[in-house]
Formats: sequence, structure tokens, C-alpha cells
Amino acid sequence: ETGVTQTPRHLVMGMTNKKSLKCEQHLGHNAMYWYKQSAKKPLELMFVYSLEERVENNSVPSRFSPECPNSSHLFLHLHTLQPEDSALYLCASSQEAPSGMGREQYFGPGTRLTVT
Amino acid sequence: DQQVKQNSPSLSVQEGRISILNCDYTNSMFDYFLWYKKYPAEGPTFLISISSIKDKNEDGRFTVFLNKSAKHLSLHIVPSQPGDSAVYFCAATGGGNKLTFGTGTQLKVEL
Repeated sequence: ETGVTQTPRHLVMGMTNKKSLKCEQHLGHNAMYWYKQSAKKPLELMFVYSLEERVENNSVPSRFSPECPNSSHLFLHLHTLQPEDSALYLCASSQEAPSGMGREQYFGPGTRLTVT
Repeated sequence: DQQVKQNSPSLSVQEGRISILNCDYTNSMFDYFLWYKKYPAEGPTFLISISSIKDKNEDGRFTVFLNKSAKHLSLHIVPSQPGDSAVYFCAATGGGNKLTFGTGTQLKVEL
């Protein structure tokens, strides 16, 4: 496996279910991210982990719970979601760099989530 | 309040001609700018970036121009190819690892 992988690619869940999204990066990076992409909206940053510590939580509802057990793996635990949470969830990774250089993030293919 | 704006939701260009995608930003703290390309059912792919200390960066068929006084950047693709048909996102950052994205421009390169 190379780059950033995400599983599952598609997920349909009811509002009372609990599920988890998984992300794995094979790039040796030390920062990982969760983004949400809804139709006709910009990518919204949800969480940032740097060196396995959460450094940003962009006012995300508590029904989304991230977990970063090590620098290569990132999870997003989902419970009691709402239909408006249906979206594409993207994971990304990057190597923290001095200001001004190399802040590119590399994305996985995403999980298309539908909440019914 | 959108800090990064891509005002053209779509652009159609003939194969072989130049594609110009535009992006405007409002936050003067942004000092690094990136372009991503996204195909359907795939995640965004990093294309090219530019630091605020430069006004141009070139990589093969792709050139990014930055006009700091106008808070405007553009991506030029020349010559355009059918495989370039995708959604292009502009992103910006002011330090740290938080990227702010635009809404994207759908480019269609026609034969």
C-alpha cells in the first residue's frame, strides 16, 4: 500500500448506529487530518493530530470522535449521526515543516457516508 | 465568511489551449498557497504550491502566479489536455498545518 488509504470507501448507516472510519498513511508523516466535504462547500477541517496529539478541533459535534493511536493511523468514530452529516470524509497527512516550506497535505480517497 | 474564494464554479477549454483558474483570498496572514486537483471518487491530489516570497512558480505545464497586492492567485495550464478535466481547489495557509480551501472550479477540456 502506498500513500493514504481509507476504509470503508462507502458507508450507509442509520441514525442510531455506531461505526468507525479508518485512515492509514504510508508516507512517514507526523501529522494527520480529518476533513468533511459537503456538496458545493469548501473542504471543512474537522480535526488535526500532530505527533499523535490532537491540536485542533474545529467546533465539531461530539457525535464525531477522533482517535490517533500512532502516527500512521487515524480513526473517526461515529455515533447517533444526523442526515445532514452525510458527506465525503477525507483523511490527509503531512510532514510538519518550518514555516514557509512544504505544507502540502496528501489525501486519501475518502469515505462516502450516507446517514439514513 | 469565506477566506478563499473561487468565483468560477466551472470552466470549459479546448484541448491545446490555455486554462486559467482563478482564486482570491482575504486573509493577509496567508503566506503559502497550494492548488489541488480532484477526480471523481478520489481524494484531492497536490499539484503545485507557491510561497508569498515569490510571484511565480512553474512545474511543467502548470504555472501558479501570485499577486499579493490584489490578494489573487491563478493557475495556468498550457497546453490543456483532456486528462486535466477535474475539479481544481485553491488552498491557503498562514503557518502551522491548517489549510483553508476554496469551493473548487470544475475544468472541462474538450477535444
